[in-house]
Amino acid sequence: KQEVTQIPAALSVPEGENLVLNCSFTDSAIYNLQWFRQDPGKGLTSLLLIQSSQREQTSGRLNASLDKSSGRSTLYIAASQPGDSATYLCAVRIGGYNKLIFGAGTRLAVHP
Amino acid sequence: DVKVTQSSRYLVKRTGEKVFLECVQDMDHENMFWYRQDPGLGLRLIYFSYDVKMKEKGDIPEGYSVSREKKERFSLILESASTNQTSMYLCASSLSGTGSGEQYFGPGTRLTVT
Repeated sequence: KQEVTQIPAALSVPEGENLVLNCSFTDSAIYNLQWFRQDPGKGLTSLLLIQSSQREQTSGRLNASLDKSSGRSTLYIAASQPGDSATYLCAVRIGGYNKLIFGAGTRLAVHP
Repeated sequence: DVKVTQSSRYLVKRTGEKVFLECVQDMDHENMFWYRQDPGLGLRLIYFSYDVKMKEKGDIPEGYSVSREKKERFSLILESASTNQTSMYLCASSLSGTGSGEQYFGPGTRLTVT
């Protein structure tokens, strides 16, 4: 059974730091991996999607990598800002019908 | 932009009531999903639908049913609400097939059952 783990569970950093969020999954048979952002009490916003054949995706200050064979993905946030404070979730797509399995998330706080 | 909307942001219901949560998407997506999100448990899939009138159970379907009469609309039904169904409910949609399958989420409904 596919399991997704995110480390750390929480992170507090000063503004301007570069940081890395980790996601690991137990079964490498995935279609893709998606990173989401969730603000308190809100829905999920898709940040990046990496296909299983890709190694990384970039969007602005965000860079996500995927190493399918080792079951790992990282989300790199450059020059963090207070507006980046949120919970970051990773999810892997398995099987048909685009089913996603989610990690529990990393709660990020960036303080001025 | 894909837009997924949910009928209510906050809902308070009494134990035993029948509850309807509605989700509408405007991008002609084939797949639609209902999740619940609880502290410490993350997002868990309740039901999903890959076409009109088609549905599949997710990981935690007990106590829930769904309806998809039109492509753009997916309803989650709590037949007899219980306090352990107090949660955040999130709807999502995606294209089917061999595309990216990127899921787009609605804003969520915070349901409290008293």
